[in-house]
Amino acid sequence: DIQMTQSPSSLSASVGDRVTITCRASQSISINLNWYQQKAGKAPKLLIYAASSLQSGVPSRFSGSGSGTDFTLTISSLQREDFATYYCQQSHSIITFGGGTKVQIK
Amino acid sequence: QVQLQESGPGLVKPSQTLSLTCTVSGDSLSSASSYWSWIRQPAGKEVEWIGRIDTTGNTNYNPSLESRVTLSVDTSKAQFSLKLTPVTAADTAVYFCARELYSMVRGLINSQFDYWGQGILVTVSS
Repeated sequence: DIQMTQSPSSLSASVGDRVTITCRASQSISINLNWYQQKAGKAPKLLIYAASSLQSGVPSRFSGSGSGTDFTLTISSLQREDFATYYCQQSHSIITFGGGTKVQIK
Repeated sequence: QVQLQESGPGLVKPSQTLSLTCTVSGDSLSSASSYWSWIRQPAGKEVEWIGRIDTTGNTNYNPSLESRVTLSVDTSKAQFSLKLTPVTAADTAVYFCARELYSMVRGLINSQFDYWGQGILVTVSS
């Protein structure tokens, strides 16, 4: 299986901060990388697909980049509603998810 | 707007069978480029993909669970189902159903889970 390693596992930030989360694949996955946001007690919500495509309805402050093994999710200006846990997920082979990054209020 | 809803028992005894159903509305199970998946999330642990099915009955399973999992589909009821047996306490988790949409991006095929059910907590305990 392809292992997905996210960093950091948690971070504290303030409203308005620029936040960057990274995801590394154990082997090349081309652009087959998706990002999700999950709030407590809810299902994950698709933010970014194919590494950098913004899902319909998702605010433009979210962006994704990368290909191969290294990927980044960036929130350009953190809003109160963005405090949540973020997961990467690869669809290149047997689907696997990263361990998650919890974004907390500083 | 596509909606998915999981249903089934919230408590299953060890060694027995976990059975869940996902009902889809707002979209056809036979939509092109769509597969239908089950995903689970144990408390405090990593999210795990269980398997997928299409409306012709083609399935793919996570090798880690393949020996214990069966997916099925009933297009007349707009439902797809999961059976997992035998279960242990390690199968305690929130179970989600989701639509996996395939799309072409920059000339490459990608799939992503664009619609999810709300999730159902299944506890394995005697």
